[in-house]
Amino acid sequence: GQQLNQSPQSMFIQEGEDVSMNCTSSSIFNTWLWYKQEPGEGPVLLIALYKAGELTSNGRLTAQFGITRKDSFLNISASIPSDVGIYFCAGLNAGGTSYGKLTFGQGTILTVHP
Amino acid sequence: GAGVSQSPSNKVTEKGKDVELRCDPISGHTALYWYRQRLGQGLEFLIYFQGNSAPDKSGLPSDRFSAERTGESVSTLTIQRTQQEDSAVYLCASSLYRGVWARAKRMNTEAFFGQGTRLTVV
Repeated sequence: GQQLNQSPQSMFIQEGEDVSMNCTSSSIFNTWLWYKQEPGEGPVLLIALYKAGELTSNGRLTAQFGITRKDSFLNISASIPSDVGIYFCAGLNAGGTSYGKLTFGQGTILTVHP
Repeated sequence: GAGVSQSPSNKVTEKGKDVELRCDPISGHTALYWYRQRLGQGLEFLIYFQGNSAPDKSGLPSDRFSAERTGESVSTLTIQRTQQEDSAVYLCASSLYRGVWARAKRMNTEAFFGQGTRLTVV
């Protein structure tokens, strides 16, 4: 099946630093989504990207849909302690026998030291 | 509530017993997903329902796992003869996504998650 490679697997940063994580795939996706999961909770959607090359911001978060449609990145600027959590990318199939199925990356565990 | 609801929130069961997990999607959502998340791990796809289409069961790890959904309503994930390796959080998500038309209109592709059911097999 399709797989997304998300990196890095984990990050330990100081408060105030910027963060960057990315996902790559061997397959083309038509939608990229970025989620954050906090302990004991389900993932919550942060940003949705629908068009190749699209750059979208949500506060201190910025995400881009790669021009090849096989990758996406998420940047967090000026990190704060509450940014701690697991960040997941997800790609949406748009064709084939399972259209609409979400495929998730392995997640990036972010730790922010005050 | 307006979100995805899962029950129970926690389940402890003895090895060999059957368990049934329930997901109430957001009203009107045609797409429903089940994922498994082991401690400290990512999201493992289990099964995907899209409207009245045949479900994508390609992620079910063994024939002990099955899921049902009637129409666009509640879904149940059943694990028979539970094993200790089944211990994990089981997450359900739903979306309005209805296929290519929806994608072209840049709408309804986002999936919303429930809080999960933490299953412990002892």
